[in-house]
Amino acid sequence: GQNIDQPTEMTATEGAIVQINCTYQTSGFNGLFWYQQHAGEAPTFLSYNVLDGLEEKGRFSSFLSRSKGYSYLLLKELQMKDSASYLCAVRDGDYKLSFGAGTTVTVRA
Amino acid sequence: IAGITQAPTSQILAAGRRMTLRCTQDMRHNAMYWYRQDLGLGLRLIHYSNTAGTTGKGEVPDGYSVSRANTDDFPLTLASAVPSQTSVYFCASSAQAGGSTDTQYFGPGTRLTVL
Repeated sequence: GQNIDQPTEMTATEGAIVQINCTYQTSGFNGLFWYQQHAGEAPTFLSYNVLDGLEEKGRFSSFLSRSKGYSYLLLKELQMKDSASYLCAVRDGDYKLSFGAGTTVTVRA
Repeated sequence: IAGITQAPTSQILAAGRRMTLRCTQDMRHNAMYWYRQDLGLGLRLIHYSNTAGTTGKGEVPDGYSVSRANTDDFPLTLASAVPSQTSVYFCASSAQAGGSTDTQYFGPGTRLTVL
C-alpha cells in the first residue's frame, strides 16, 4: 500500500515562491507525479520525476529524493491563477497511481 | 471530441437505483481508470483497465463494476447506489499502463449525489 503525506493548505503572496512538500512510503516505486486541480475541474498534469534531482518547467519545478521518499513542487513568481489544489501521486510497482489528499494553495494579492 | 468526455456532468440519485457513468476517450489510449474524489481523502482508484477486454480492481471497488468492450469506452456501473457513493467521479486514460511516462489524463468529472 501507499502512504502519501502533503500539507493541507498553504497561503502565499502574488509574486512569491511556495514549496509544497510530499513524503511517501511505497511498495515499489515507478515515478512521482504532480497534478494541478482548480476548484470544480479535473486534475491536469504538471510534472513527472522518476530519477533523483530537479525537473524544471517554466515557473514550476519538481524535486525527487527516492532514498528519502520525498518530493517537492516549487511554484515561482506566483500568480493569482495558481490558486488551486496540488496533488502528489506515486506510481507503485504495479504501475498504479496513489494520490495524496492534495494541498490547497491560496495566492493573495 | 478531443480528450476524455464523461456523462452525465452531475446526477442526483435515489438510494437503491442503478446508475451507469459513461466515459469515452478519443486518444486511442490503452489504459483507462475510474477514481472517486472525496474531501480530505484525495483521489482513490475504483477500477482500471490496462487494455480492451481486461479490467482490474483498485483500492475501493466494492459496489462498482466496469466493462471494457472496446478501446474508447469505459463505463462505471453502480448496481444499487448507497449514500456513501456520493462523490465526484473522474475517468482517466493513459497511453500504456506501465510505460516510462504513462501520464494519466483526466475527464471533467461526474458529480453524483445519492439520497
